Amino acid sequence: KQEVTQIPAALSVPEGENLVLNCSFTDSAIYNLQWFRQDPGKGLTSLLLIQSSQREQTSGRLNASLDKSSGRSTLYIAASQPGDSATYLCAAENDYKLSFGAGTTVTVRA
Amino acid sequence: GAGVSQTPSNKVTEKGKYVELRCDPISGHTALYWYRQSLGQGPEFLIYFQGTGAADDSGLPNDRFFAVRPEGSVSTLKIQRTERGDSAVYLCASSSSGGRTDTQYFGPGTRLTVL
Repeated sequence: KQEVTQIPAALSVPEGENLVLNCSFTDSAIYNLQWFRQDPGKGLTSLLLIQSSQREQTSGRLNASLDKSSGRSTLYIAASQPGDSATYLCAAENDYKLSFGAGTTVTVRA
Repeated sequence: GAGVSQTPSNKVTEKGKYVELRCDPISGHTALYWYRQSLGQGPEFLIYFQGTGAADDSGLPNDRFFAVRPEGSVSTLKIQRTERGDSAVYLCASSSSGGRTDTQYFGPGTRLTVL
């Protein structure tokens, strides 16, 4: 069974600082690795999807890397803003289903 | 275009009652998924539909849980004899074809509270 772990569980930074969120998974036979954002009381918004054959994906201030052999992915958010405050979840896809970590809750202080 | 919608947004019921939760996927998406998210945790997979059929129901916790998708679009998750431990947010997602590179798009969820 795929186990996904996210460290740290919570993070508080001043505005403008870069964010580094870590995700590890136990089964490297993944189809892809996805990062989502969840705001309080809301559903999940997809941020980035990295296919198993890729090493990274970028979208604006977001960059995600994938090292499948070591079972790790990292999400970088450059020049954080208060609007980036949310919970970030990573999910590994095996056999069409996603296995999620518990998330990292980010607070960006103005 | 419209995203994934779920109704109701909140459902409060009493222990032992029957509930139905509805999911309307993005139009044209053939793959549909149900997940359950307990407080402070990530979502957990329940069931995956490809078209009208359940391709993988390995995440359903027991036989009190059942889901249908009779016409390949709207899906209903049904919970019989609800228990307090069923309280959670139930999330629905859809993807265009269920392929390995497809993004899953999530709805806002239904918060179920069993008293």
